[in-house]
Amino acid sequence: EAQVTQNPRYLITVTGKKLTVTCSQNMNHEYMSWYRQDPGLGLRQIYYSMNVEVTDKGDVPEGYKVSRKEKRNFPLILESPSPNQTSLYFCASSSLDTAGGTQYFGPGTRLLVL
Amino acid sequence: GEDVEQSLFLSVREGDSSVINCTYTDSSSTYLYWYKQEPGAGLQLLTYIFSNMDMKQDQRLTVLLNKKDKHLSLRIADTQTGDSAIYFCAGNTNAGKSTFGDGTTLTVKP
Repeated sequence: EAQVTQNPRYLITVTGKKLTVTCSQNMNHEYMSWYRQDPGLGLRQIYYSMNVEVTDKGDVPEGYKVSRKEKRNFPLILESPSPNQTSLYFCASSSLDTAGGTQYFGPGTRLLVL
Repeated sequence: GEDVEQSLFLSVREGDSSVINCTYTDSSSTYLYWYKQEPGAGLQLLTYIFSNMDMKQDQRLTVLLNKKDKHLSLRIADTQTGDSAIYFCAGNTNAGKSTFGDGTTLTVKP
């Protein structure tokens, strides 16, 4: 089954404790992206990647890191999480060859930083 | 960067048509999308339109694009209670930037 998976789905952590949210897709998509969703603010793009070893900042990259060492994985790293990073995070992927570049979204990771 | 704006709430009666509107500022978006998010779930693509098209119809969904006014709309015919959700419009550029609106919460009353 074609899908985007994220782990963990729920995470409670404390300020300053490094964490990684994994994202994996099995569709051989070139493009992957991370978003955060906050009430009243819609989805905001954090980072995106057009292919392996190519990453770019989205609209809200501060406090986050990403890497794209393999095509299927695009982990989101919070080196020193802060309470303002409490949010719902979505990973997405799409093929650059498909008209429309339809993004397929993961189920989301709900993060609480205390 | 691009701004995408939507009205936050829409309430309709079952069987009526729903029209959700979206305006955007950056005309460099190659594709414009409508996504649906049900409670506790991720985003599901409903439909998309290429920026050089004016209209696209897909079953109960009709997308209208007015490039001059930078206005995008989604019409849902014969709205059902299962259509209750948050609807996001979004734009993608060829360079990979994606911008989403804040979402319109559609409530369908029986």
